[in-house]
Amino acid sequence: GAVVSQHPSRVICKSGTSVKIECRSLDFQATTMFWYRQFPKQSLMLMATSNEGSKATYEQGVEKDKFLINHASLTLSTLTVTSAHPEDSSFYICSARVLQETQYFGPGTRLLVL
Amino acid sequence: GEDVEQSLFLSVREGDSSVINCTYTDSSSTYLYWYKQEPGAGLQLLTYIFSNMDMKQDQRLTVLLNKKDKHLSLRIADTQTGDSAIYFCAEEGNGGATNKLIFGTGTLLAVQP
Repeated sequence: GAVVSQHPSRVICKSGTSVKIECRSLDFQATTMFWYRQFPKQSLMLMATSNEGSKATYEQGVEKDKFLINHASLTLSTLTVTSAHPEDSSFYICSARVLQETQYFGPGTRLLVL
Repeated sequence: GEDVEQSLFLSVREGDSSVINCTYTDSSSTYLYWYKQEPGAGLQLLTYIFSNMDMKQDQRLTVLLNKKDKHLSLRIADTQTGDSAIYFCAEEGNGGATNKLIFGTGTLLAVQP
């Protein structure tokens, strides 16, 4: 089946630093990748949608300069949290999809900003 | 706007059936999904149903869709302790190649041995 990986699985960083999270589709080429954020005991909130080779489409209320998304190839998308602050601490989950097929989710990355 | 709601918590005994309910608002949804999330993990797709169907069965899972009432349910037969997790329903719109998933609030299923 379709496998999506994320790296790192968890990261702790100091306030003010930037953190990059990778999302890879391991056995398929993803035309679209999605980034979600999940706070404890809450649902997933879509942050942005990215298509390979084009700029990401951000959801309302998500700062583009804060959460930089790069979708450089059909198997890799990265999310960079710039100048992270404690309120950015969350569980970040990516998903990948081929055309209009089902989204396959990564295992998530837990970010803790001290 | 889009809003998908679920009850927060369900507790059942091992061997009983579990029914998790979901209501949605977007009548143009083409697919509706059920995902399972175990603690600290990503989402596992359990099953999905196309909007022109009213029932789908897959082993222990039965999905019922009442499109008129915009109500979706997931029935798990012979619930096991390994089924304990958070279950999310999600609706997918009809917006072309970048259809978005709108997730429900999640239902925590606790299975008592």
